[in-house]
Amino acid sequence: SQTIHQWPATLVQPVGSPLSLECTVEGTSNPNLYWYRQAAGRGLQLLFYSVGIGQISSEVPQNLSASRPQDRQFILSSKKLLLSDSGFYLCAWSRGGEETQYFGPGTRLLVL
Amino acid sequence: GDSVTQMEGPVTLSEEAFLTINCTYTATGYPSLFWYVQYPGEGLQLLLKATKADDKGSNKGFEATYRKETTSFHLEKGSVQVSDSAVYFCALRDTGTASKLTFGTGTRLQVTL
Repeated sequence: SQTIHQWPATLVQPVGSPLSLECTVEGTSNPNLYWYRQAAGRGLQLLFYSVGIGQISSEVPQNLSASRPQDRQFILSSKKLLLSDSGFYLCAWSRGGEETQYFGPGTRLLVL
Repeated sequence: GDSVTQMEGPVTLSEEAFLTINCTYTATGYPSLFWYVQYPGEGLQLLLKATKADDKGSNKGFEATYRKETTSFHLEKGSVQVSDSAVYFCALRDTGTASKLTFGTGTRLQVTL
C-alpha cells in the first residue's frame, strides 16, 4: 500500500530564517506531487506541483520554492521566511492520469 | 478562473441530526467534484467524488449529487455522529488541469451529544 510522510509535524521559526519541509511517498512510482498551504480561516491553496523529477510548476508567486531531487521526494524551501508564511502545509500525491489526490498529515509552521 | 464556494461554518448539530453543507462551483470546462474531510490534527482524506453531471458520490453515509444546472455539489448525511466532527472541503478538478484541485475554504462541523 502507499503511504505519504511529512516532517516535521510542527515547526516554529523566526522571521528571516530558512525553511525546508520534506515529503516522501512510498509504495508507488512516478507519482504527481503537490504542495498546498492552508492559512488560518482560508481554504487550501496549491503552491507547487510536479509530474516528474526536476519538473516543478509554481502556481503563485511567493518567496517559497520547491524541488524534487528524487522520484518520491518533494521538498518545500525558503531562504527567508515571512510572517505571512505561517500556516499548515500539506503534501499530496496522485497517480499520473488519475484524479484522486492522497494527502499527508501536514506540517504546521509558525513564523514569529 | 475556477472557484469553489462553501457555506461558512462552524456548523453545530446534535447527534442524529440531518446535515447539509452547501457547495457551488465555477469552472470553464466539465469538472470532477470532490469532498475531502480533515479530522482534527490530520491531513485530508477523500470522502467522495463525482465525475459527471447527475452522478451521486457516497461514502460512510454521506452523499453528494453533481448538479450541473445549479453548479452545485451539496454534501448531505441523514444522521450525523460525534465522530463526524471535522472540517469538510469541497473541491473541483477542471478538465485539462493536470489533476490540480481547486478547494473551497472548508466548513467546520461540530456534532454534540
